[in-house]
Amino acid sequence: EVELKESGGGLVQPGGSLRLSCVASGFTLTNYAMNWVRQAPGERLQWVSAMSASGLTTYYADSVKGRFTISRDTSKSTMYLQMTSLRVEDTAVYYCAKDMDIVVQIGALWGQGTRVIVSS
Amino acid sequence: EIVMTQSPATLSVSPGEGATLSCRASQSVSSTVAWYQQKPGQAPRLLIYGASTRATGVPARFSGSGSGTDFTLTISSLQSEDFALYYCQQYNDWPLTFGGGTKVEIK
Repeated sequence: EVELKESGGGLVQPGGSLRLSCVASGFTLTNYAMNWVRQAPGERLQWVSAMSASGLTTYYADSVKGRFTISRDTSKSTMYLQMTSLRVEDTAVYYCAKDMDIVVQIGALWGQGTRVIVSS
Repeated sequence: EIVMTQSPATLSVSPGEGATLSCRASQSVSSTVAWYQQKPGQAPRLLIYGASTRATGVPARFSGSGSGTDFTLTISSLQSEDFALYYCQQYNDWPLTFGGGTKVEIK
């Protein structure tokens, strides 16, 4: 069964760091683009970061560029989102999503999400 | 950044009736639009991609249409499980962007 499971969320102070993990099962990370999408309370969904299947191309929303880093460990079938210099406005549920193809396009399958709260 | 605008914000529909949800892009995105369904406390679920192609397992009562800047999601006969939030998304250009959502509620 194809499945994604996120972890690593929690409460962190402004300026702090967190690393989110997304374990993929039932498929190979190198065959699909992967995405991180977040949903802040009462806000629309926002595409945060993405990586092509090859791993050679990465994307970041302007609001997180220079602070967040997407990466993966194919031997562990795990994708990561390293978040530094966190701000109150980064508070959201973070979802990882598997794409339909090798290029970044669509969230074809989503994990259950992990909640990040940035607060003092 | 391409802005996606959905209307109406809320749609009140009786079970068994049809519903039409609209999504407009701030510039042409060809047919690179997807639609998602989200229920409270759950992750989004892909319904439609390529503006009109149903994702695997999506019932035939869901259909999508449009190209360029104007898109529509139609639910032909609402079932109890269809009352939810619906989002459109463009994938023509980065950053990929979502609309603000349409809540389909029971009338």
